Amino acid sequence: IQLTQSPSSLSASVGDRVTITCRASQGITSHLAWYQQRPGRAPKLLIYAASTLQGGVPSRFSGSGSGTDFTLTISSLQPEDFATYFCQQLSTYPYTFGQGTMLEIK
Amino acid sequence: QVQLVESGGSVVQPGRSLRLSCAASGFTFNRYAIHWVRQAPGKGLEWVAVIWDDATNKYYADSVKGRFTISRDNSENTVYLEINSLRVEDTAVYYCAREGYCSGGACYSSEHDPLDRWGQGTLVTVSS
Repeated sequence: IQLTQSPSSLSASVGDRVTITCRASQGITSHLAWYQQRPGRAPKLLIYAASTLQGGVPSRFSGSGSGTDFTLTISSLQPEDFATYFCQQLSTYPYTFGQGTMLEIK
Repeated sequence: QVQLVESGGSVVQPGRSLRLSCAASGFTFNRYAIHWVRQAPGKGLEWVAVIWDDATNKYYADSVKGRFTISRDNSENTVYLEINSLRVEDTAVYYCAREGYCSGGACYSSEHDPLDRWGQGTLVTVSS
């Protein structure tokens, strides 16, 4: 299953609302997770089952979608949110990742 | 607290072999599937392999099938990744990660769960 994220990169300002999309090449019901990765660090789980917020993750992060189309939304960007975001499908092995979306400060 | 610590990464020549280790602590290891994920320099994440909690099932990415072998020792709380016939394109940081999630004070692990805890990674460089 291939995952296509868009955009590949995004410039935004603190306080902006941003949305990242992830499209699967076939249906994966809600078996999708989103991760954040800061430079030099391991990925961090943000959202699983497409829309469930991982414990300790700020509520400005939200996820939605099912089937083939998914979105990650950050309602009001904070300085610590500038990072790279990956989606991952957990429906069928191999558990593929999207190519990533780099979120940069405008 | 939950901890995963990878080790074994080094600089190796093409064609050689290497074994990576992932030592776990802070949770009931034999209840969780463990994955390996790698990241080439400046690139995205690539899922590599998974071994189920009781090692009855193992799955691999097509790109590593036949050269990589995942195993685990539940008595030692450790997962291994044996890499044979190393190629330049295997150069990457290799992460191990636990499959599961915690909610309402309890933790769970079953198929289709996310990778909720990751190690810090170990760097494998393949170069002559």
